[in-house]
Amino acid sequence: EIVLTQSPGTLSLSPGERATLSCRASQSVSSTYLAWYQQKPGQAPRLLIYGASSRATGIPDRFSGSGSGTDFTLTISRLESEDFAVYYCQQYGSSQWTFGQGTKVEIK
Amino acid sequence: QVQLVESGGDMVQPGESLRLSCAASGFTFNTYGMHWVRQAPGRGLEWVAFIYYDGGNKYYADSVKGQFTISRDNSRNTLYLQMNSLTAEDTAVYYCAKAGRWPSFDYWGQGTLVTVSS
Repeated sequence: EIVLTQSPGTLSLSPGERATLSCRASQSVSSTYLAWYQQKPGQAPRLLIYGASSRATGIPDRFSGSGSGTDFTLTISRLESEDFAVYYCQQYGSSQWTFGQGTKVEIK
Repeated sequence: QVQLVESGGDMVQPGESLRLSCAASGFTFNTYGMHWVRQAPGRGLEWVAFIYYDGGNKYYADSVKGQFTISRDNSRNTLYLQMNSLTAEDTAVYYCAKAGRWPSFDYWGQGTLVTVSS
């Protein structure tokens, strides 16, 4: 089973700053099979990025994804107040879907 | 618009069974695979199970294999999760999610809470 490790666990930033979130896989993952989600307290997750770099419908262009192999990154170019949340990466392989443990982006 | 509404969550005792439902609308249900994902209190997301659009193939997380059964009724636009022999480790909010661009989850319900406690 592929394990996804996200870092840092918590990111403390101010609105307007750039956020860089990392997702590292225990073995190579097809870029096609890497996605990112945002979850706010008391809400369901929301798909942000699929295929490592494609934005989902309605996602602002300040969100971008990149990476390949075992290292993937979600970047939020300029944080807005509604972006403070927990972010999860997710991969698929061998008929199993797995999530990283999450990165919390909090207001500094 | 796509809507997924889960129901059936409850507080049960260890060893008991429960069936969750997810009513889908706003899309052609019988052409999409569907998932169950759970989240224990204060924890991250854990994928539970997936079913093909026609119910022909089903996949399970190792943690629930042999204990949970995913199914669907395309005539009722409804997804199910039968959960047996529940333990405290199954306590979580259970979300149903629509399969999006493979293998992502593009729409999620609001979740239903299952609590297993004596």
